[in-house]
Amino acid sequence: AQSVAQPEDQVNVAEGNPLTVKCTYSVSGNPYLFWYVQYPNRGLQFLLKYITGDNLVKGSYGFEAEFNKSQTSFHLKKPSALVSDSALYFCAVLPGGYQKVTFGTGTKLQVIP
Amino acid sequence: DGGITQSPKYLFRKEGQNVTLSCEQNLNHDAMYWYRQDPGQGLRLIYYSQIVNDFQKGDIAEGYSVSREKKESFPLTVTSAQKNPTAFYLCASIRRGPPSGANVLTFGAGSRLTVL
Repeated sequence: AQSVAQPEDQVNVAEGNPLTVKCTYSVSGNPYLFWYVQYPNRGLQFLLKYITGDNLVKGSYGFEAEFNKSQTSFHLKKPSALVSDSALYFCAVLPGGYQKVTFGTGTKLQVIP
Repeated sequence: DGGITQSPKYLFRKEGQNVTLSCEQNLNHDAMYWYRQDPGQGLRLIYYSQIVNDFQKGDIAEGYSVSREKKESFPLTVTSAQKNPTAFYLCASIRRGPPSGANVLTFGAGSRLTVL
């Protein structure tokens, strides 16, 4: 069975500092990996994805993620955090066989001015 | 503009009543999904459908039902058998095949159901 783990319920970072939101996954075969962001009472917005190729993926709003196959991780990063980045972030995995998408429990990012 | 429309945005229900949440997409996506979101539990999959007239149970299907009579529509019925239906419900869709290019799981704005 596939699974996604986001070990931190909340991450606090000062504005201007780099941020990392962690994600590890378990799935058979080659996965497709995603990051989404959610603002209060809204749907999820796509940030970036890993399909194949370069392990460093760049996405929207200056976010990037690094795929590490040996550690089965897909951590989200940003070099300099903004207060407006404060939101709930979800990691997700879609097995290569194209069945159901599984989400992590989410990490609340709080950027402190 | 293409997208997913969920309605209603807010819904109040008395105990013992069935309610149906609407999800319509004009993205020509093949697969559609229903997720439930509770605080601290992330998104849990209720049902999903990869083609018309076919759907599969997700992780928490009990007390819910769906239909997929049209490619564009995937309504979710929350029945009186669902013991704790108060939650935020999200519908999503994606085109069949690898999620390359612009093909990503796209979400609606959600429906918040409150049982009184």
